[in-house]
Amino acid sequence: DTEVTQTPKHLVMGMTNKKSLKCEQHMGHRAMYWYKQKAKKPPELMFVYSYEKLSINESVPSRFSPECPNSSLLNLHLHALQPEDSALYLCASSHFAARATSGANVLTFGAGSRLTVL
Amino acid sequence: QKEVEQNSGPLSVPEGAIASLNCTYSDRGSQSFFWYRQYSGKSPELIMFIYSNGDKEDGRFTAQLNKASQYVSLLIRDSQPSDSATYLCAVNEDQFYFGTGTSLTVIP
Repeated sequence: DTEVTQTPKHLVMGMTNKKSLKCEQHMGHRAMYWYKQKAKKPPELMFVYSYEKLSINESVPSRFSPECPNSSLLNLHLHALQPEDSALYLCASSHFAARATSGANVLTFGAGSRLTVL
Repeated sequence: QKEVEQNSGPLSVPEGAIASLNCTYSDRGSQSFFWYRQYSGKSPELIMFIYSNGDKEDGRFTAQLNKASQYVSLLIRDSQPSDSATYLCAVNEDQFYFGTGTSLTVIP
């Protein structure tokens, strides 16, 4: 299994809703990531989990709350979002969070969750 | 701040030509480099990675790495309209750093 699976593919929510994005991988990767991507921009790192612990939080507003229940699952809880938070949210995983000492540490992306905030 | 620079394009090439995409990086200690292809509205997909100086070939794609000059390039031979996409260069350090991407259009 060489896939990262994200659900839902599309999500529309109001500014007062609470929703969650889910991500799963079974490649034995120990690092999992959330990225946000706006149109015509590169992916923007939000959070990194390494060995199920939050290792990087790129100053993301608290209305985004990540959770890593186990080494295969990653969630992103959403609450009180703003219309400008509408974007493609990408989950990714890699063997390690930092560069490998030998060989390449490949980052594999899921298909993404397209979020629209009304 | 680690930087990865790409020419944003757009780059247009005729079908069958060679497309050349370039990327420079700021950290001389960087070791692993990646090229991702992203179609509009889709997620990035890995095309190639390279971590040794020189060329690495995979089908129509060749990645070239020159650590002394701190650049990595991607050549696409016999370009096809289906190659039209944005190409992202990335470097793995304490995290993955992405360039802004180069938009490629292959004209039939």
